[in-house]
Amino acid sequence: RKEVEQDPGPFNVPEGATVAFNCTYSNSASQSFFWYRQDCRKEPKLLMSVYSSGNEDGRFTAQLNRASQYISLLIRDSKLSDSATYLCVVGRLYNQGGKLIFGQGTELSVKP
Amino acid sequence: DVKVTQSSRYLVKRTGEKVFLECVQDMDHENMFWYRQDPGLGLRLIYFSYDVKMKEKGDIPEGYSVSREKKERFSLILESASTNQTSMYLCASSSGSSPLHFGNGTRLTVT
Repeated sequence: RKEVEQDPGPFNVPEGATVAFNCTYSNSASQSFFWYRQDCRKEPKLLMSVYSSGNEDGRFTAQLNRASQYISLLIRDSKLSDSATYLCVVGRLYNQGGKLIFGQGTELSVKP
Repeated sequence: DVKVTQSSRYLVKRTGEKVFLECVQDMDHENMFWYRQDPGLGLRLIYFSYDVKMKEKGDIPEGYSVSREKKERFSLILESASTNQTSMYLCASSSGSSPLHFGNGTRLTVT
């Protein structure tokens, strides 16, 4: 079983739709959680960190469920520009620092 | 704004060649990482470094080595390139347990 798992998609949604992605992680010692966005043939960029109490940034809401070991990303009022691959990233302490484990990504395609 | 710069965007090398991929960051980050990204496999950690002259193996270090002589520079070395090392290589840096900042990647093709 992979340490971080995501549904690869693709999720095809119309503009204006609400879409949600889940990501499960297997290591209960995980301590930090992030969502990254990656456009085609570009590097991943940090979308948002995920905090225990949940957090929101504009149209994006991230939640963490430690008991069930998953994080989620909700996108409201989808825009064409939201089309990208969304990477779930989970971190844990490793030796002197942190080690981040990446999920394979969920592809989102927003259509007009 | 953090800037992580990879020396080459595209690189084509022959089997058996020694290949150097260079990465420089300008934010005095102590942590630097090399990943490769392949379709269906996601990002996989090759090597990382928490300090100058310090290196740790990631999940797939075979066929690679690294060098960190200065804090801002982390080099990935393919001692004898092989076709299965054709991939997108991504360098990243961070401070403490903060999120990673990535360079824009080097797409390496080994023929």
